[in-house]
Amino acid sequence: AQKITQTQPGMFVQEKEAVTLDCTYDTSDQSYGLFWYKQPSSGEMIFLIYQGSYDEQNATEGRYSLNFQKARKSANLVISASQLGDSAMYFCAMREGLGGYNKLIFGAGTRLAVHP
Amino acid sequence: GAVVSQHPSWVICKSGTSVKIECRSLDFQATTMFWYRQFPKQSLMLMATSNEGSKATYEQGVEKDKFLINHASLTLSTLTVTSAHPEDSSFYICSARRTSDNYEQYFGPGTRLTVT
Repeated sequence: AQKITQTQPGMFVQEKEAVTLDCTYDTSDQSYGLFWYKQPSSGEMIFLIYQGSYDEQNATEGRYSLNFQKARKSANLVISASQLGDSAMYFCAMREGLGGYNKLIFGAGTRLAVHP
Repeated sequence: GAVVSQHPSWVICKSGTSVKIECRSLDFQATTMFWYRQFPKQSLMLMATSNEGSKATYEQGVEKDKFLINHASLTLSTLTVTSAHPEDSSFYICSARRTSDNYEQYFGPGTRLTVT
């Protein structure tokens, strides 16, 4: 069975610095997708970045990058130049298979606090 | 594009009554929609997957007779919480998969249900 582990319940970072949020996963499938979502206090889920298991390059989206280490089954999110608006819950998620119909399994989440 | 709405955004109901939550894809057709539940300070837990025109697939431990899901069209799925009890109070989030997308699910803003 697939599993997502986020071991950091909370993290804090100074504004303008970089922060890494950890995510490890477990799956027996060769084809899978990894996602990061941001959930501010309003509750909406904001898609940040996606990495497919066959993607050779690490995904990047603006200030977000995904450090994908397939052999170690880790998919850490790196946020560069943190902003106060980055304070939120961050969830790592995995989908087995490459089709969108397959369900997402979420990690427990990491609460990030950005300090001025 | 790819906007998902939920209605209502919050609802308070009395114990024993039923409440219906709507999930609509506003600008795309969604073959598959997903319903999640999130308790305070916890992660999202998938409740069920609904496909247009067919019965929903429920996750283990989710009572299908209590959480009725109907996906009657390519733009609308509904979740009805029947005979609600205080323990059903939670944040319910839907997501929709656009038929043309390979991997992404688009999340609605969520519905906060409080049962008194």
